[in-house]
Order: sequence, then structure tokens, then C-alpha cells
Amino acid sequence: GDQVEQSPSALSLHEGTGSALRCNFTTTMRAVQWFQQNSRGSLINLFYLASGTKENGRLKSTFNSKESYSTLHIRDAQLEDSGTYFCAAEAWASGGNYKPTFGKGTSLVVHP
Amino acid sequence: GALVYQYPRRTICKSGTSMRMECQAVGFQATSVAWYRQSPQKTFELIALSTVNSAIKYEQNFTQEKFPISHPNLSFSSMTVLNAYLEDRGLYLCGAREGTYAEQFFGPGTRLTVL
Repeated sequence: GDQVEQSPSALSLHEGTGSALRCNFTTTMRAVQWFQQNSRGSLINLFYLASGTKENGRLKSTFNSKESYSTLHIRDAQLEDSGTYFCAAEAWASGGNYKPTFGKGTSLVVHP
Repeated sequence: GALVYQYPRRTICKSGTSMRMECQAVGFQATSVAWYRQSPQKTFELIALSTVNSAIKYEQNFTQEKFPISHPNLSFSSMTVLNAYLEDRGLYLCGAREGTYAEQFFGPGTRLTVL
């Protein structure tokens, strides 16, 4: 089965509201990265975490390796936040040969 | 800042022909480069991982014979799709990082259409 399970697959928000995206892992991960993919396909780096919580503006992400999940919180959503959000997690591997695995993405639409 | 460029951004090739795509890292040393394909359904598949001074590791369902990769220095990598067919369509992304415990930076991708 998939090592990275991302939810929800789709999300609709009104401007000014917020929500959380989540990735659950079926194996122990050493780090997780969150991206926003814009309409042109470019992946924008949001967060890279080996543990704990990071915050950047209206976005906050947490990675709990022990409980095998990571979350991305969006508050005060704006129209430009629309896009597809992906988490990518790396399992521990020998020799430093990480194998980053992507979730299937959350398609976010922010409405006026 | 760290940037990754990919070219071409879009390419169209006839079924059975080959095309080469390039990935350039600027502002950091790309000690590892991962090549991915994103399907039209947006699912990511890891094709191979290239680490300088190590053999390139291909994932199941991807081979060097079909997707030869070159990673000659710390700023450049290229991959060729040989004998492209419809199932090879998608957005090819390269993700580069400096060191093992570091975030990946992605290029904008090369979108491959096969006619």
C-alpha cells in the first residue's frame, strides 16, 4: 500500500477561513516536505521538517515522526492559496539513500 | 537563493522517438538529484535517484535503458526518454538537494506530449 496517505483529496474554502491538511505515514519517516503546486505546475517549497512545528505567515506545519503524521494548517485563506498541495516524506534508508515519496495531493480552491 | 531550472518547459515528440531534458541547479550544490514523473492525474512516480559519486538508482518499472540519466557535476543533470510512447506522457520534474538532510528544490518541470 501507499506509504503516504494524504487527506482530504479536495478542499473548498471561503476567503478568510482556514483548514488543515494531513499526511499519515505507514512507515517511520525521517523528514517531510510540503509543497504548493501552482497552475503552471511549479512546485513551491513551503516547509521542510525533521520534527516539531514551523510557521510561516498564514501557514503552519507539524511533523510527528513517532505518531507518523504531518499536518499543514492554512488560516485566513486567500485566493492565491488555490492550488494543489503535496506532502513528500522520506523514510530512513541505509547509506543516506533517501527515497522521497509524495502523497496524492490536496486540491484546494479558495472562493471569494 | 536556491533555484532549479529545467528545459525545455514543454516538448512534443512523435511516438517512438526520443527526447532529452535538462536540469540545472543554481545557488547550491546538487549532490543529489531525483527525477520524477507526474501523471495527468497528478500522481508522482520516482524514476531514479542520482547521487554524485554513487551509482544511479532506478525505481521499479524504470530502467537505465529507457531513461538514461547523466549527473556529471554538482549543478547539472539530464535525462533522456528513449522510444517515447503514450504512457510516457506527463510532467517530468527534477528535485535537487545539497547533502542528505536537506530540503529538495524542484524545477518547473518538462511537460512531455507524445503524439
